[in-house]
Amino acid sequence: DAGITQSPRHKVTETGTPVTLRCHQTENHRYMYWYRQDPGHGLRLIHYSYGVKDTDKGEVSDGYSVSRSKTEDFLLTLESATSSQTSVYFCAIYSGTGEQETQYFGPGTRLLVL
Amino acid sequence: GESVGLHLPTLSVQEGDNSIINCAYSNSASDYFIWYKQESGKGPQFIIDIRSNMDKRQGQRVTVLLNKTVKHLSLQIAATQPGDSAVYFCAETDSGTYKYIFGTGTRLKVLA
Repeated sequence: DAGITQSPRHKVTETGTPVTLRCHQTENHRYMYWYRQDPGHGLRLIHYSYGVKDTDKGEVSDGYSVSRSKTEDFLLTLESATSSQTSVYFCAIYSGTGEQETQYFGPGTRLLVL
Repeated sequence: GESVGLHLPTLSVQEGDNSIINCAYSNSASDYFIWYKQESGKGPQFIIDIRSNMDKRQGQRVTVLLNKTVKHLSLQIAATQPGDSAVYFCAETDSGTYKYIFGTGTRLKVLA
């Protein structure tokens, strides 16, 4: 699992409230990513980070912000949650070791916005 | 239950048979490809990868085939087992971009 944990694993919240999801990695990887996974879609990139305080938007970044103040933590914030943000959120890291340049994923966070 | 996979194509195979899962990729510039397995309630797990300078790569019970002419990738699982039941999806990347494009996946059901 490349030492990736996500918290919380499950969350139920109400429309309009802010929500922060945390991704923590223990192996000092530079690149970290947040994806959402919904029926009928592949994993869609929300934001990614290429180092401390270096982040960029993905294809579905509206309504989300991120922060990375330490190498090991990448936070995803839903500034004002909406029902369309009900999804499963995955954090990933990039690991490039010679032949392989793969993304490894955390266990996911299930978010329900009522 | 899981939120992913409600509208996925499904491949049903008999235990012990071989499975073939297909994927069409989109970017001609992609030069590295990965297959992932995702079990219910879990994150995707790396299975096998292949670079664009190869057309076949074998792992333990799994083989990936790449046809760059038609932008097609396949995953072959030999002697399919109940533990192989999961959603499988491919990913592609243009090396150096650090960004990946993911397919929507195929559900594999292994029948006893």
